[in-house]
Parts: sequence; structure tokens; C-alpha cells
Amino acid sequence: GAGVSQSPRYKVAKRGQDVALRCDPISGHVSLFWYQQALGQGPEFLTYFQNEAQLDKSGLPSDRFFAERPEGSVSTLKIQRTQQEDSAVYLCASSLAWTSTGELFFGEGSRLTVL
Amino acid sequence: EDQVTQSPEALRLQEGESSSLNCSYTVSGLRGLFWYRQDPGKGPEFLFTLYSAGEEKEKERLKATLTKKESFLHITAPKPEDSATYLCAAPNSGGYQKVTFGIGTKLQVIP
Repeated sequence: GAGVSQSPRYKVAKRGQDVALRCDPISGHVSLFWYQQALGQGPEFLTYFQNEAQLDKSGLPSDRFFAERPEGSVSTLKIQRTQQEDSAVYLCASSLAWTSTGELFFGEGSRLTVL
Repeated sequence: EDQVTQSPEALRLQEGESSSLNCSYTVSGLRGLFWYRQDPGKGPEFLFTLYSAGEEKEKERLKATLTKKESFLHITAPKPEDSATYLCAAPNSGGYQKVTFGIGTKLQVIP
């Protein structure tokens, strides 16, 4: 497809389980972002990649969160030992010319519910 | 600390009733102010980028303006399909790639 694709769209995990969320950005987009959006809140920055390099991971809430983009295209956000406070929508966004236009293309998100 | 504050949190309008949404920011050395629209169950969709005070941008019934301390999203004669959450955002002063979003204004336009 032409847009940013995320999977799974919905994930229910038991507390303590590990989860992996996938993002397939728009082809050719070098910049890739992960955001966390809690119910009724705005998106909060987690991490940023330029191609395969993770240039900023300052928003990752704990060392249970890990993101990678090994070949500079598809990215995976992994959450280990999930906790209830991890329940949120995880949004992926990509951009070709972010620094000049401010335009990010978002996927529809992966909704994680931790029981 | 960089902050983006939006008001009101929710707004209910009759179809055709014009209004404005407010976004105030405290980001030193502003390098852009962004507006996005978010529909339920979807990711945000880009609307506008404003770079300097006095700048205005328009798209259909929406017009965004920027001053030195705040931005407004004016909605003229809204239609029900304009119902959505409107998010304001700005790059952090400490790192351009890190963007702070506001909580959003949830707009409902009633036929």
C-alpha cells in the first residue's frame, strides 16, 4: 500500500508477556518515529530513526522498551514484561523531508491492552 | 520545559457555526508549529506547518494563524465531517526530531 502500515492493529497481552509491534513505513522514507498515545492524550515521542540509525531514544519509558530498524525500512517496537501502564496506542510515523515541511505520515496505530 | 497547551479540550458546534481553537506554546527558538487532525481509531493526519509570526495557511474551511506565543485554528462554517480531534505540535527546543504534541481539541459538529 501507499501508506504507513502497522501490525497488529490490536494486541491483548497478559501482564508479564513480551510483545512486538511492527511498522512498515512509506517506501523511501528515511525518517521513522514511534509515539505512544494514551487514551484522551496527545501522542508522546518514544524514539526516532534515520535510516537504520536510532538517533534519539530519549522518550522510551524504561529499559523494557526496545526499538530497531535493522535494514532502514521496517521497524519493530518490542516491549518486554508488559505492565498495565503500557496499555496505549503505539503510533508509527515516517517522513521523507521532515526537517523542511514538518509533515509526518502516521499509521493507524497498534492498540495494546495489558490485562 | 517545552509545553504545548490546547484549549478548549472539547468543543461542540452547530453546523455553520464558526469558531477558533487555541494552541499556546512555550518552546524557545520555535522552528515550526504543526496542526494535525485525528479521527477516532486513526493516526494523526497532517494539516499545516507555520514557521513565523504573522503566517497564515488555509485549507477548505480551516485557517491556521501564528503569533509569537500562540496559534489559532479557525473553522469557518463547519460541517459534520469536520468532527475530529485537532492536535497542535512543536519540535522541542533541545532536539528537532522530538516533537511535543498538545492534548488536542475534540470538535463535534452537529447537523
